[in-house]
Amino acid sequence: EAGVAQSPRYKIIEKRQSVAFWCNPISGHATLYWYQQILGQGPKLLIQFQNNGVVDDSQLPKDRFSAERLKGVDSTLKIQPAKLEDSAVYLCASSPRLAGGKNTGELFFGEGSRLTVL
Amino acid sequence: AQKITQTQPGMFVQEKEAVTLDCTYDTSDPSYGLFWYKQPSSGEMIFLIYQGSYDQQNATEGRYSLNFQKARKSANLVISASQLGDSAMYFCAMREDPNAGGTSYGKLTFGQGTILTVHP
Repeated sequence: EAGVAQSPRYKIIEKRQSVAFWCNPISGHATLYWYQQILGQGPKLLIQFQNNGVVDDSQLPKDRFSAERLKGVDSTLKIQPAKLEDSAVYLCASSPRLAGGKNTGELFFGEGSRLTVL
Repeated sequence: AQKITQTQPGMFVQEKEAVTLDCTYDTSDPSYGLFWYKQPSSGEMIFLIYQGSYDQQNATEGRYSLNFQKARKSANLVISASQLGDSAMYFCAMREDPNAGGTSYGKLTFGQGTILTVHP
């Protein structure tokens, strides 16, 4: 089974430029998450999708960050314009839809996209 | 208020010895899940172990066990027989289930992490 795919793995941009990250979740996983992980800290949720609808975007800086999940499969996270403090690893994760049974609700993470803003 | 607290920024352990990584949590939901993830220097997040709030027994997965003390709201990870490959950052995380029994899962909230270094 293929894991969560993310690209690009690394991106270096100047402040005020824009950047986009792409994520393809595990096939059949209805829930998709974008997390921001600043160096030395735990991941922080930016946005959660259930199929193609937003469940939680309370911590997404909406003046500069946007995300979409068209057709309920892959997703794009965009930052425009970028600030120095946006330097971080952006982790995409997915989880299966159904609760109960043997599912624990664990999140399956991609390898992350490391952003450096100069 | 922080929901997940990991008070040990760094821990050291000798190879083949056991180590306990601390985690306390705060929630008012009766239904929740607790997770531990490992993040090596390569960056990927690796799921280690899960404990449900209603589980009667402490979870175990190979060399990993979770010391779940519900009344104290703690969920410490115990790694037995440490190996050099265990050196990594370890995160405790919690999922609150306000709609327990529903058809979708909630987000995970992560702690700050503990860096574990295993010495030969």
